[in-house]
Amino acid sequence: EAEVAQSPRYKITEKSQAVAFWCDPISGHATLYWYRQILGQGLELLVQFQDESVVDDSQLPKDRFSAERLKGVDSTLKIQPAELGDSAMYLCASSPRLKSSYEQYFGPGTRLTVT
Amino acid sequence: AQSVTQLDSHVSVSEGTPVLLRCNYSSSYSPSLFWYVQHPNKGLQLLLKYTSAATLVKGINGFEAEFKKSETSFHLTKPSAHMSDAAEYFCVVSDLPSNTGKLIFGQGTTLQVKP
Repeated sequence: EAEVAQSPRYKITEKSQAVAFWCDPISGHATLYWYRQILGQGLELLVQFQDESVVDDSQLPKDRFSAERLKGVDSTLKIQPAELGDSAMYLCASSPRLKSSYEQYFGPGTRLTVT
Repeated sequence: AQSVTQLDSHVSVSEGTPVLLRCNYSSSYSPSLFWYVQHPNKGLQLLLKYTSAATLVKGINGFEAEFKKSETSFHLTKPSAHMSDAAEYFCVVSDLPSNTGKLIFGQGTTLQVKP
């Protein structure tokens, strides 16, 4: 069964360093999402792509976060510089269509700890 | 605006007893509703979804949910809890006005299953 791949699974970094997360969606899925999940809270959408274009990045802290999906397939989320408050689970999801009734398929996530 | 409220942050049941996880939604439209489950250090997995077809929706692992428009509820149930059901459960509504596939997550309910 096809799955969303993410790497690394765990990342520990020091404050002010740069970190990057990678996501490979299910083959053929045009829509890709990056979420942040702080322990004990729900999911916050950071950025949404349709193919290589950004559909929604209204909640992305653009002073330190960036995301790209250059060829409309895999995607990278970067944080520079990392802050203590960025410690969280970063989840990637994909969907076959840009439509509200389609479920999203989630990867295993990257657990980031900033020290 | 669309929103979901999960009425319990933590539910504890004994193995073999029924499970009830409560969710109320707010929407000016006919919503698409989902329940996702997240096991420790894992990504989210879709349990079931409602998209304006039958109001009683059956999902995986014996879970089901009933859409009640008059009560604006979408509670998740299971007749008999299993130890493997211990996880975090999220009630989710689609952001219909944007129709971009954006999902709005509840804060989550932690299900504890005691032997």
